[in-house]
Amino acid sequence: QITLKESGPTLVKPTQTLTLTCTFSGFSLSTSGVGVGWIRQPPGKALEWLALIYWNDDKRYNPSLRSRLSITKDTSKNQVLLTMTNMDPVDTATYYCAHYVLQGTYYFDYWGQGTLVTVSS
Amino acid sequence: QSVLTQPPSVSGAPGQRVTISCTGSSSNIGTGYDVHWYQQVPGTAPKLLIYADSNRPSGVPDRFSGSKSGTSASLAITGLQAEDEADYYCQSYDSKMGGSVFGGGTKLTVL
Repeated sequence: QITLKESGPTLVKPTQTLTLTCTFSGFSLSTSGVGVGWIRQPPGKALEWLALIYWNDDKRYNPSLRSRLSITKDTSKNQVLLTMTNMDPVDTATYYCAHYVLQGTYYFDYWGQGTLVTVSS
Repeated sequence: QSVLTQPPSVSGAPGQRVTISCTGSSSNIGTGYDVHWYQQVPGTAPKLLIYADSNRPSGVPDRFSGSKSGTSASLAITGLQAEDEADYYCQSYDSKMGGSVFGGGTKLTVL
């Protein structure tokens, strides 16, 4: 049974750096064809893909946010970290992490519950 | 603007059939990359509904079906039920982005 859970601050100030942790169980991020991704959703708006990290430590970022994002994994702890610098009120959103399938097709099959991050002074 | 285009809203009466379209381009759906669909009930996380164009994960009713042609894909829901009222998102891989892209979402209202 695959589960994921996001954790991190619920409130950050503008210009600060956000660090979110995704703690997962039920799979290993060292297994070929597996990844973990981060997706966010501003209140009342659509989903936006942010970043992906694969079993082989390959990383992908949304080009529009690449300069502000960093994704890393700690396989021994079953965790994936997302760092976003220079936070702005427009970054207020629910941030989700999800298990990503890379087996000739690419999709998110299990999602965490999400964590709401508000950016405000 | 989302890379994949969906209608903002659709509606139907209980028992009816509705479809939701998802239009992409030559760097995503048009290249042949699979389309996947998610259902999101307000206040909850998205749930995988259809993967690889037309496959249903275990537990998803066969009232939900997906198809793809050219640069577009569609999600069809037959025998509409009140519990189907939710937001629906399509997703694919985009070679220019080097990662995933989502549609803007479609709100389904069951009348």
